[in-house]
Amino acid sequence: EVQLVESGGGLVKPGGSLRLSCAASGFTFSSYSMNWVRQAPGKGLEWVSSISSSSSYIYYADSVKGRFTISRDNAKNSLYLQMNSLRAEDTAVYYCARDKISGSYYFDYWGQGTLVTVSS
Amino acid sequence: DIQMTQSPSSVSASVGDRVTITCRASQGISSWLAWYQQKPGKAPKLLIYAASSLQSGVPSRFSGSGSGTDFTLTISSLQPEDFATYYCQQANSFPLTFGQGTRLEIK
Repeated sequence: EVQLVESGGGLVKPGGSLRLSCAASGFTFSSYSMNWVRQAPGKGLEWVSSISSSSSYIYYADSVKGRFTISRDNAKNSLYLQMNSLRAEDTAVYYCARDKISGSYYFDYWGQGTLVTVSS
Repeated sequence: DIQMTQSPSSVSASVGDRVTITCRASQGISSWLAWYQQKPGKAPKLLIYAASSLQSGVPSRFSGSGSGTDFTLTISSLQPEDFATYYCQQANSFPLTFGQGTRLEIK
């Protein structure tokens, strides 16, 4: 069974940093592109970042470019999102999601999400 | 960036009704479109990918159509578990973008 479990969310002050993790199991992690998608409270879905299976290709939304860094460790079946210079508008539930077919950018499995709150 | 516009933003319907939700892309995206269903407090669920392909395990009352800039999601006979928010997403180019969502409510 495919499972994605996010962790690392919490309350952080504006300008602070946080590192999210996503532990994957039930599939060959190293064969799939992975993604982060967020959802601000009461709002819609916003794509944040994507990383190819071998980390060769990385993409970011303009709203996080230069502040967030996506990475993965295929040996540990884990996906990460390093978030720096956090702003109030980064407050959201952050989901990790798997590509249905690597490079398709259709998200067939999602984690349960981890809440990041940026507030003083 | 490609903007995705869904209509309506909300719709009220009854069990057994046929419902259609529309998604329009600001430029052509071929068939690079997905539909998701999200229930409160839950992660989104993939329903349709490549505009018209049904995701495994999704009931056949869900169907998708369209290509280029105009797409539709149709639920042929609403069931109680279908009341949720639906999102379209383009996978044609980065940045990936979602529609604003359509809330499907019980009449």
